[in-house]
Amino acid sequence: ETGVTQTPRHLVMGMTNKKSLKCEQHLGHNAMYWYKQSAKKPLELMFVYNFKEQTENNSVPSRFSPECPNSSHLFLHLHTLQPEDSALYLCASSQQPGVEQYFGPGTRLTVT
Amino acid sequence: EDQVTQSPEALRLQEGESSSLNCSYTVSGLRGLFWYRQDPGKGPEFLFTLYSAGEEKEKERLKATLTKKESFLHITAPKPEDSATYLCAVTGTASKLTFGTGTRLQVTL
Repeated sequence: ETGVTQTPRHLVMGMTNKKSLKCEQHLGHNAMYWYKQSAKKPLELMFVYNFKEQTENNSVPSRFSPECPNSSHLFLHLHTLQPEDSALYLCASSQQPGVEQYFGPGTRLTVT
Repeated sequence: EDQVTQSPEALRLQEGESSSLNCSYTVSGLRGLFWYRQDPGKGPEFLFTLYSAGEEKEKERLKATLTKKESFLHITAPKPEDSATYLCAVTGTASKLTFGTGTRLQVTL
């Protein structure tokens, strides 16, 4: 595997379900990110981790819970989501904050 | 607050018809301006980083330029495979990327 990988690529979940998104980067980077991408809107930064430590939480609802066990892996735990949470969720990594980021293919999430 | 505005929102070109995409920005202490390409249903693909006014970078049919207020992505003699959404982002003293909404480019035969 090379670059940034994400699983699953597609996810349909009910509002009462609990699921997790997984991201892995094979670039030796120290910073990892979760973004939400909705139609007609700019990418919304959700969380930032640098050297496994969370450095930013952009007022994200608590139904989204990130986890970063090491610099190569990032998870986004989902529970009791709302239909408006349906979007493309993108993971990215960079050598350090503030430089170019490399993105994974995304998880297309649909909340029913 | 950092801001990025991209124009036009959508652009349709014929193959070989050169044009430019615009990215206007306001940022506190520019540290970098980034261009990405995004195909439908995929993650953004990194193209260029520009660091200071006057800088230019090229890759195949794409050339990015930077001034103190805006950046242009020039597309020379585009081909259908250049069809994608092109995203611009900036980072400043806050060390986080702020993205624009993108320009959706369609190149037809």
